[in-house]
Amino acid sequence: DIQMTQSPSSLSASVGDRVTITCRASQSIYNYLNWYQLKPGKAPKFLIFAASSLQSGVPSRFSGSGSGTDFTLTISSLQPEDFATYHCQQSYSTPYTFGQGTKLEIK
Amino acid sequence: QVQLQESGPGLVKPSETLSLTCIVSGGSISGYYWSWIRQPPGKGLEWIGYIYYSGTTNYNPSLKSRLTISVDTSKNQLSLELSSVTAADTAVYYCARLKSTVGGSKYFDYWGQGTLVTVSS
Repeated sequence: DIQMTQSPSSLSASVGDRVTITCRASQSIYNYLNWYQLKPGKAPKFLIFAASSLQSGVPSRFSGSGSGTDFTLTISSLQPEDFATYHCQQSYSTPYTFGQGTKLEIK
Repeated sequence: QVQLQESGPGLVKPSETLSLTCIVSGGSISGYYWSWIRQPPGKGLEWIGYIYYSGTTNYNPSLKSRLTISVDTSKNQLSLELSSVTAADTAVYYCARLKSTVGGSKYFDYWGQGTLVTVSS
């Protein structure tokens, strides 16, 4: 199985800050990397596919980059609704695997 | 807007079978892959498996021996059965649509809210 490792596991930031979350794969997954936002009690929200392609309707302050084994999710200017947990996921091969999540908290 | 809603018992006894249903509304189940994903308390997400609307399945090898995913296109729903459960199967269970693009990308674009299943006597 391909292991996905996110860092940091938690992050404190303020509204307006720029934050970056890193996701590393245990082998090359080319650009088969997706990002999701999870909030308790709500349906997870799909943000980015193919490492850098923004899903329709997702605010442009979200961006993704990377290829091979190293990927990043950046939020350019944090908004109150962005405080949540973010997970990366590889779709290069089954079993599909996720990172352990990065919890973004208000400072 | 596609919506998914999971349902099923919130409490299952050890060694019994966990059964969940996911109803899809706002769109047809036909033409797509559908997945189950779970998240144990305090842990990351785990992909359980997927089913194509025609019935073709792909299961996580870690669960394959205990797992059955099925689809009922007439009811626009999919189901999950996980047998011989233990406390390690306690989790929030999500159903999600797996979108596959011409370019080869695959991603879970619509999710249900999830349902907590606790395995305990």
